[in-house]
Amino acid sequence: QVQLVQSGSELKKPGASVKVSCKASGYTFTSYAMNWVRQAPGQGLEWMGWINTNTGNPTYAQGFTGRFVFSLDTSVSTAYLQISSLKAEDTAVYYCARSTVTKRGDYWGQGTLVTVSS
Amino acid sequence: DIQMTQSPSSLSASVGDRVTITCQASQDISNYLNWYQQKPGKAPKLLIYDASNLETGVPSRFSGSGSGTDFTFTISSLQPEDIATYYCQQYDNLPQYTFGQGTKLEIK
Repeated sequence: QVQLVQSGSELKKPGASVKVSCKASGYTFTSYAMNWVRQAPGQGLEWMGWINTNTGNPTYAQGFTGRFVFSLDTSVSTAYLQISSLKAEDTAVYYCARSTVTKRGDYWGQGTLVTVSS
Repeated sequence: DIQMTQSPSSLSASVGDRVTITCQASQDISNYLNWYQQKPGKAPKLLIYDASNLETGVPSRFSGSGSGTDFTFTISSLQPEDIATYYCQQYDNLPQYTFGQGTKLEIK
């Protein structure tokens, strides 16, 4: 069965970096793009962008350029989200979700809580 | 950028009621719209894709309609397990696959 399993919660200080992983199983990793979505505490969903798992080419939504980097390790069917120079406002749950041109967001990871606090 | 205006922001209804949520796009998005259900502490779950297609395994009391700029999501007979927040999302305009603000559904 299809599964996206994300890494565990993180507590980081302002200015630090964090790398969240999303390990896929149950399907051919390179047949689906991987999307990233942010949800701040008590807030709605924000689509951050996606990465083409064939080419490794990332696309970032407005507001998620510069400090946010999507990457892959196709040998272990894993996508990564790295956030640098963390700020308190980066505190959120981050989700990965797969997509194709015919269907977006049919499977999601369980979410990773990143807390930024001094 | 395409803005998605979802309404209402919250809704209280009784078990068995018909529930309707609307989503309006700021420009034509054809039928490039998803509807998701999110329960507290859980990831969103895809219910409807391409505005009106029911995702596999989703109960038939859920439905979606619309095209262009105006979309509707309906629960034909509200069940207690449907208590959640519902989101629309457009995917016509890369790289901004915008979500609506969400509708929190509660039991009256």
